[in-house]
This record gives sequence, structure tokens and C-alpha cells, in this order.
Amino acid sequence: DVKVTQSSRYLVKRTGEKVFLECVQDMDHENMFWYRQDPGLGLRLIYFSYDVKMKEKGDIPEGYSVSREKKERFSLILESASTNQTSMYLCASSLPRQGGTDTQYFGPGTRLTVL
Amino acid sequence: DAKTTQPTSMDCAEGRAANLPCNHSTISGNEYVYWYRQIHSQGPQYIIHGLKNNETNEMASLIITEDRKSSTLILPHATLRDTAVYYCIVRFRTGTASKLTFGTGTRLQVTL
Repeated sequence: DVKVTQSSRYLVKRTGEKVFLECVQDMDHENMFWYRQDPGLGLRLIYFSYDVKMKEKGDIPEGYSVSREKKERFSLILESASTNQTSMYLCASSLPRQGGTDTQYFGPGTRLTVL
Repeated sequence: DAKTTQPTSMDCAEGRAANLPCNHSTISGNEYVYWYRQIHSQGPQYIIHGLKNNETNEMASLIITEDRKSSTLILPHATLRDTAVYYCIVRFRTGTASKLTFGTGTRLQVTL
């Protein structure tokens, strides 16, 4: 079974703090993703990575950065947390599939509250 | 990716089959049908996907109509733990990483 783990289930931070969210997958997947999920807005892609040290912006990268130094680990960084970054953060991983489409497997999510 | 239409909510008695429909009338030949579910406050869980043929795995069955304009996810013996929001997604065959876009889904309530 694919296992994607996230460092925290719940996190409370203050405005202006630097926040690190970590994601680890154990299936040697090449692709990793960070999404946020908000009521009424659905799932929105922040960043993704298709290889170590490679990253691509998603739809809402502003205020975020990412790091992928090892294949199994993908970190999301909020350089200076703001209240509008209060959200559920979801990490996913997948294998690229030639001639097909990738199946993404999600972690349990981190509910971040910024006060 | 093609748009999908699902009922907002459905009820199912525990032990009975839950049949969740999805309409994707604008699907193209290069698009897969995917199903995910999300139990309250948890990450989405992959269930099953298919292109043309019906598919079955340990969780569910996916029935795709011959014209591919609609599909049905079947949970053969629903339990209380199957209470969740179910998302039907149509995804283009890219061979590379691409984002998932969830619609509003169907909220399935399994009752005793």
C-alpha cells in the first residue's frame, strides 16, 4: 500500500512565523504535490515536483515555497504565515505513467490555523 | 479536463449496495474516469479509475457506459465507514504529473 505521511495533523501558528510542512512517501514516487483545500473552493494546487530538486508552480504559489532534496520528501514552506493561509494542506504523490495518467495518493492532511 | 455532474447527496442503508452516478457527457477519448472519496477531515482516498472497460478492485466497481458519457461507482456492501464525499473526476491522459480538480462531489450517508 502507498503510504504518504505528513508531519502534523494540526498546527497553530502566529502571523509572521515561518512554517514548515513536511510530507514523506514510501513508494519511490517521482511526483509529489502540495494542495490546499478550503470550503467552497475545492482543491487548489500550490506546487508540485516531478523529480528531486525540480519544482513547478501550481495555481496559487504566492506566499509559499517548496523544497525537494530527497525523492521521498517534499516540504512546503510558508515564509511569513498570514491568516489567509489558514487551511487544510494536503500532500500527494504519484508515479508518472507513459500513455496514461498518474494516480495520486494523498496524505492525511495538516489543518493549519494562523492566528 | 471534462466537467462532471454528480448528485449532491445520497443515502444508503448499511449492507446494501451504494450506486453513485456521474455524468461526463463531454468526455474525450483520451480522458480517464477517476473516483476518490474524502471522509470528514481526512485526506482524499483513491478508489478506482477506468478508461473504457468496467473495473473492479477490493474497494469498489466502476461501470462506464458504452458511449462513456456516464459512469457509476458501486460499493457492493456499504458500511458506516463508507460515509464520505465521493468525487468523480475526468482526467486527461498526459503521461506526466497533472493537478487533480475536485468538484462538489456526492455526500454519501450510510445509515443503520
